[in-house]
Amino acid sequence: KQEVTQIPAALSVPEGENLVLNCSFTDSAIYNLQWFRQDPGKGLTSLLLIQSSQREQTSGRLNASLDKSSGRSTLYIAASQPGDSATYLCAVLTGTASKLTFGTGTRLQVTL
Amino acid sequence: SAVISQKPSRDICQRGTSLTIQCQVDSQVTMMFWYRQQPGQSLTLIATANQGSEATYESGFVIDKFPISRPNLTFSTLTVSNMSPEDSSIYLCSVEVGRTDTQYFGPGTRLTVL
Repeated sequence: KQEVTQIPAALSVPEGENLVLNCSFTDSAIYNLQWFRQDPGKGLTSLLLIQSSQREQTSGRLNASLDKSSGRSTLYIAASQPGDSATYLCAVLTGTASKLTFGTGTRLQVTL
Repeated sequence: SAVISQKPSRDICQRGTSLTIQCQVDSQVTMMFWYRQQPGQSLTLIATANQGSEATYESGFVIDKFPISRPNLTFSTLTVSNMSPEDSSIYLCSVEVGRTDTQYFGPGTRLTVL
């Protein structure tokens, strides 16, 4: 059974700092890994998707890497802003039925 | 991408009653999914809703408790039956668009059961 863990569970940083969120998964037989953002009481917004054959994806200030063999992914946020404050979830797609397994999330707060 | 709406956005219900949540997508999609997010927890897949066939439920979820309909390629409903306070959660639907394996999520329905 696939299990996804995210570290740290919570993080508070001052504005402007670069930061790294970590995601690990137990079964390396994944199709892809997706990073989401969730604002309080809201749904999920897809940030980046990395296919199993890729090593990284970039979108603006966000960069996600994938090391499938070691079961790890990182989300790098450059020059953090207060608007980045949210919960960040990683999810891996495994099996043939498009099943996403979600991590426990990292709650990020960027302070002024 | 896809634009997904859910109704209601939130509700407060009494124990023992049922609530039906609607999910509408702006384009035809093959696969729709229903997730539950209990307070302080991550998302757990309830079931996959396939048009023209019965939903496929994950371990720990049963059709009698969470009946699902999928009458066409743009719409699905999830009913939470005979509710108890333990059912208080955010319920989200998602869709897979094309063959990208990317899932897009609705805004969620926040359910509180008293």
